[in-house]
Amino acid sequence: EVQVAESGGGLVQPGGSLRLSCAASGFTFSSFAMSWVRQAPGKGLEWVSTISGSGGNTYFADSVKGRFTISRDNSKNTLYLQMNSLRAEDTAVYFCARGITTPDYWGQGTLVTVSS
Amino acid sequence: DVVVTQSPLSLPVTLGQPASISCRSSQSLVYGDGNTYLNWFHQRPGQSPRRLIYKVSNRDSGVPDRFSGSGSGTDFTLKISRVEAEDVGVFYCMQGTHWPGTFGQGTKLEIK
Repeated sequence: EVQVAESGGGLVQPGGSLRLSCAASGFTFSSFAMSWVRQAPGKGLEWVSTISGSGGNTYFADSVKGRFTISRDNSKNTLYLQMNSLRAEDTAVYFCARGITTPDYWGQGTLVTVSS
Repeated sequence: DVVVTQSPLSLPVTLGQPASISCRSSQSLVYGDGNTYLNWFHQRPGQSPRRLIYKVSNRDSGVPDRFSGSGSGTDFTLKISRVEAEDVGVFYCMQGTHWPGTFGQGTKLEIK
């Protein structure tokens, strides 16, 4: 059974950093691009970042470019999102999802709150 | 970014009646490989999005056949032949053809 599960969310002050993780199981992790999508409270869905299966290609939304880094450890079947210089507007539930063009499996999300 | 516009944003429906959601994109969603990466998701309150339809009209495993997707180019539609109570929540269309992927605003379906 394919599963993805996020962790690492929490409360952080503006300007702070946080690293999210996404543990995957039930499929050949290195064969799939993986993505992060976020949802601000009461709002819609926003694509954040994607990384290719090998990790050699990464993509970022303009809203996070230069502040967020995406990476993966294929030996541990784990995806990461390093978030620096966090702003209030980054407050959201962060989902990891398998794929880029037709994301199929999504985790339950982890809440990131940026507030003083 | 490609703008994806859904309508209506609110959809009150009587149980057993049909429903339809429109999704329009600001650019053609036909990719160079010939595929059209337009997907539909359903999100219940407090849950993560669940993919229902991928590449315009392909139903995911376990999705009831009362859900159907159609369209081409820039205009797409999700139809529910008979709404059931479990369909409440928000439906999103999403294009994956152009980077970054973009979502419609969401259509909130409620039972009258």
